[in-house]
Amino acid sequence: GAGVSQSPSNKVTEKGKDVELRCDPISGHTALYWYRQSLGQGLEFLIYFQGNSAPDKSGLPSDRFSAERTGGSVSTLTIQRTQQEDSAVYLCASSSRTGVDTEAFFGQGTRLTVV
Amino acid sequence: LAKTTQPISMDSYEGQEVNITCSHNNIATNDYITWYQQFPSQGPRFIIQGYKTKVTNEVASLFIPADRKSSTLSLPRVSLSDTAVYYCLVGDGYNQGGKLIFGQGTELSVKP
Repeated sequence: GAGVSQSPSNKVTEKGKDVELRCDPISGHTALYWYRQSLGQGLEFLIYFQGNSAPDKSGLPSDRFSAERTGGSVSTLTIQRTQQEDSAVYLCASSSRTGVDTEAFFGQGTRLTVV
Repeated sequence: LAKTTQPISMDSYEGQEVNITCSHNNIATNDYITWYQQFPSQGPRFIIQGYKTKVTNEVASLFIPADRKSSTLSLPRVSLSDTAVYYCLVGDGYNQGGKLIFGQGTELSVKP
């Protein structure tokens, strides 16, 4: 596609429910990043993929969070048993390879509200 | 991963030149310096990248002194639409495990 696509754009869920957030990276991009941004805060790094592999999962806030990427393309971020503190904008980015020296392209984000 | 320090916020007026300086004292030989811009309710977007000396594009200029321990993003003649958060990132793709870490950034407010 022309850019990074995230869905849904908005999600309201009840506390305790599971949610899945989807990211479609730019075609051919092997690197994919997930971030969380709470209102008025900076970008909190969650996880990155190089191909289908996630070398470092230490940024995930708790074991309720998981992410996968299949076919080197689409990625899904799953939050189980959502809590109110999970409310935030979840951003996805992709680039041709990992690293600061390579331009990353961001999606518009998924705004998650846990009520 | 080189640690960066930049001002939390800055104010400016339309038509002025804005310079945002980022300190990165422990920058490594292979590291590049990259700046991103984030408008409210949007994801960040790449502005400019450099390794040394000066880089200029249609959006901004990036000045990097010889010791590379700091860098300055220069926005010429800002307008209200330049109000955003600006992030400085330093690193490469080889020695930091591929992470792309954003700091707190500098919140630029442009006033009429």
